[in-house]
Amino acid sequence: GAVVSQHPSWVICKSGTSVKIECRSLDFQATTMFWYRQFPKQSLMLMATSNEGSKATYEQGVEKDKFLINHASLTLSTLTVTSAHPEDSSFYICSALRFAKNIQYFGAGTRLSVL
Amino acid sequence: RKEVEQDPGPFNVPEGATVAFNCTYSNSASQSFFWYRQDCRKEPKLLMSVYSSGNEDGRFTAQLNRASQYISLLIRDSKLSDSATYLCVVKQAGNTPLVFGKGTRLSVIA
Repeated sequence: GAVVSQHPSWVICKSGTSVKIECRSLDFQATTMFWYRQFPKQSLMLMATSNEGSKATYEQGVEKDKFLINHASLTLSTLTVTSAHPEDSSFYICSALRFAKNIQYFGAGTRLSVL
Repeated sequence: RKEVEQDPGPFNVPEGATVAFNCTYSNSASQSFFWYRQDCRKEPKLLMSVYSSGNEDGRFTAQLNRASQYISLLIRDSKLSDSATYLCVVKQAGNTPLVFGKGTRLSVIA
C-alpha cells in the first residue's frame, strides 16, 4: 500500500482562490519532504524542500509567498497555492524522505486546474 | 545545461524488441542513480537503482559509467505494458532531493 498519502488528487478552482495540498507519510516519520511540479511533457521540477519545524527552502524562481509550505509535524507537510492563476495549473507531487533507508516515497500527485 | 539529460523520444517499438535509453548527468557530486517509470498522469515509480557494476532485474538492465557520467537502461523482450515514460534520476548524498531528467517516452506496439 501507499506509504505517502497526498490529497486532494484533483482540484479545479477559480482564479484568485487558494488551494491547500496535503502530504502525509503514513508509516514513518519524515523530517524532510519535497514538493515538485510537473508541467505537461516536462520533467518533475523541485519547487522546495520542506523541513519539519523550520522554514522551507525554495528553489530559484519559486515564489515563497505564493507557494506556502508548512511542515508542522513529522508526518505532514502542506503546500498552499495562494491566489492561484491559470499558469499555476500543473501536476504537484510531494515526496517524503525515509532517512534511515535514504529512499524518497512519492505521493500520487495533485492535478490542479485553475480556471 | 540541464543537470540530467535524456533523449525525449518517443521510441516506438514492436513487442519483443530490445530498446536502450541513455542519460547523462552533469553534477559529479551525484552519488545515487535510478531509473523511474511514470505512466500518464501518475506519480513516478522506482523501476530500479543503478550501480557501477551494472545490475539486472528481469528484462531490465541498468549500467552506470561514473567517468563519463552516463547511465543506461536496456529493456529486452518489450511488452505492451512497458509503454511509459522512463525517467533518469540522480541524487547527491544526504537529505537531498532526487533530480529528474525530462524522461524518454516509450510506446510498445502490438
